[in-house]
Amino acid sequence: KAGVTQTPRYLIKTRGQQVTLSCSPISGHRSVSWYQQTPGQGLQFLFEYFSETQRNKGNFPGRFSGRQFSNSRSEMNVSTLELGDSALYLCASSLSNLDTEAFFGQGTRLTVV
Amino acid sequence: SQQGEEDPQALSIQEGENATMNCSYKTSINNLQWYRQNSGRGLVHLILIRSNEREKHSGRLRVTLDTSKKSSSLLITASRAADTASYFCATVPYNTDKLIFGTGTRLQVFP
Repeated sequence: KAGVTQTPRYLIKTRGQQVTLSCSPISGHRSVSWYQQTPGQGLQFLFEYFSETQRNKGNFPGRFSGRQFSNSRSEMNVSTLELGDSALYLCASSLSNLDTEAFFGQGTRLTVV
Repeated sequence: SQQGEEDPQALSIQEGENATMNCSYKTSINNLQWYRQNSGRGLVHLILIRSNEREKHSGRLRVTLDTSKKSSSLLITASRAADTASYFCATVPYNTDKLIFGTGTRLQVFP
């Protein structure tokens, strides 16, 4: 079966712009979570969605938001981009909760200039 | 920060040797998971150990968990060059559905 698909793979944006990243989970998976990876801060949890509802949220400013659609696909949005938002953004899907393994996509590499 | 810590930060060994990585975390957990990442790409799940388990095996991997010390270790036996990657532990804190990752161990296996 198809894995977790993230689009786009690479993105270059200018400070102040906004960006939307997309994640298609594995078919049948209802939980989608997002992570930011940077060399300085490592892997940081952003938020988790289940059945279109945000169940968990990390410690990120309100510029970071997300949503999940009825088909479990998810998007995350970052507004008013800052240089420090440059990172690899990873999406993970799991069946319903993290009592089982999470499957990660290849990530979206965002560069803010 | 809730982030866990791993040590060593980097490990270099020869093929055939064993590699041991340690992870410490801060909160009560539902489970602890280990992931591998090759060159800044996506994470690959290796093994999951629940809070009521003490040891788990999967192929050449052996994971232990000590909840009283809030620590875990990952042992890779008979390492291969293809095991070269970064390894992360991640905890699922009690009553949540989020992964809190450790700082990672970068493993280099020389042929």
